[in-house]
Amino acid sequence: DAGVTQSPTHLIKTRGQQVTLRCSPKSGHDTVSWYQQALGQGPQFIFQYYEEEERQRGNFPDRFSGHQFPNYSSELNVNALLLGDSALYLCASSSASGRWYEQFFGPGTRLTVL
Amino acid sequence: AQKITQTQPGMFVQEKEAVTLDCTYDTSDQSYGLFWYKQPSSGEMIFLIYQGSYDEQNATEGRYSLNFQKARKSANLVISASQLGDSAMYFCAMREPYLQGGSEKLVFGKGTKLTVNP
Repeated sequence: DAGVTQSPTHLIKTRGQQVTLRCSPKSGHDTVSWYQQALGQGPQFIFQYYEEEERQRGNFPDRFSGHQFPNYSSELNVNALLLGDSALYLCASSSASGRWYEQFFGPGTRLTVL
Repeated sequence: AQKITQTQPGMFVQEKEAVTLDCTYDTSDQSYGLFWYKQPSSGEMIFLIYQGSYDEQNATEGRYSLNFQKARKSANLVISASQLGDSAMYFCAMREPYLQGGSEKLVFGKGTKLTVNP
C-alpha cells in the first residue's frame, strides 16, 4: 500500500515563473492538505481540499492556488514566484470519515527560486 | 488562534539515555489535540504520538511518551533509551477544529533539533 507520494522531489525556478506541484494521497484518503516549510521553521498550512473543493485556507496570497481531482490527487500551483517561496512543500492526506488525527505526510517537494 | 511554542532550538543526548523535548501551547478551545512529529533530514514528517485534551492518561507509543500537563498547557515529549536513529527535527503541533467537512489543519511549532551522541 503506497503512502503519500509527491512529485517532483526537487525543483528550481526563477522569479516570476509559475510552478505546479503534485500529490497523491494514501489509499483510502479523501482529504489533502498542503503545507509550506521554510528553512528552519515549522510547516505552515496553505490550504486543504476535500470533495474537490478548497475547504480551508491559511494566510497565503492568491498566488497560491490548488485543485483536487476526482481520484483525490491534488495539485498546488504558485504563480509569479518570489525568492521567499523557496521552501519544502509538504502534502498530507487524511480521511474525513476516519481517524482524523491520522494525517500522513509525503516526502515533500523542495522548491528553490533563484 | 492556536499557538505552539518550542523553546529548545537544539538538544543533545547520549545514546541509551532519556530526553525530554518541551512544548507549550495556547488555545481558547476546550477540545483540542496535540501531536508530535519527527522529521529526519529526508524531509518526511513522521507521526509519533497524539494526546487529546480529554484523555485522562498520558499517551505512550513504544519509546515515546507525552507528558501532558493541562493546567500548565504543556505537552512535552519524552524519548526513552535514545538511539542514534532518533537524531532528527521534532515538531509539536496542535489541531485547529474545523466542522465543515474535511479534516482539521495542524498548527506547528518551530521545532527542536535532537542530536543523539554515541
